[in-house]
Amino acid sequence: AQSVTQLGSHVSVSEGALVLLRCNYSSSVPPYLFWYVQYPNQGLQLLLKYTSAATLVKGINGFEAEFKKSETSFHLTKPSAHMSDAAEYFCAVSDKSGNTGKLIFGQGTTLQVKP
Amino acid sequence: EADIYQTPRYLVIGTGKKITLECSQTMGHDKMYWYQQDPGMELHLIHYSYGVNSTEKGDLSSESTVSRIRTEHFPLTLESARPSHTSQYLCASSDWDRGPADTQYFGPGTRLTVL
Repeated sequence: AQSVTQLGSHVSVSEGALVLLRCNYSSSVPPYLFWYVQYPNQGLQLLLKYTSAATLVKGINGFEAEFKKSETSFHLTKPSAHMSDAAEYFCAVSDKSGNTGKLIFGQGTTLQVKP
Repeated sequence: EADIYQTPRYLVIGTGKKITLECSQTMGHDKMYWYQQDPGMELHLIHYSYGVNSTEKGDLSSESTVSRIRTEHFPLTLESARPSHTSQYLCASSDWDRGPADTQYFGPGTRLTVL
């Protein structure tokens, strides 16, 4: 069965500092991986996704993530945090077994950005 | 820009009431999903649909029911609301052109509180 683990339910960084949000997955087949962001009182918005092409994926708002098969990881990074990055971030893997298309989510990481 | 709408955004209702959460998308997507999200927790799939007249239950058992009479509309109904139904409900859709690699687009969610 596929699963996702996000290390650290809360991450706090200073404005301008590096953002690193960790995601590890478990999958018996090459996975499709997603990062979504949820701002307060809003739905989820796709930041980026990995679908077996380039292992370094660039997304919106300056975020990127690197797929590392040997480490079963898909960590999200941004070189310089901005106050507007404060939100909840979810890593997800797409269920490839069956035809549901469902996403299996991690528990989320709340990013706090301090001035 | 994805166009998927949910109403109401917030609902506070008494035990025993029947409620319907509305979800509509204007993208012509065949696949639609309902996820349930408790505070600080991951999202869990409760219902999905492949298209008109197709509905399936997801991983998380739910007393809610859904219908798909039109492509663009995927309402969720609770016949008799209980406090245990208090949660956030998120609707999503995808066009399924790339199967599990497709992006799911999310609505803003309905935050339901049952007293």
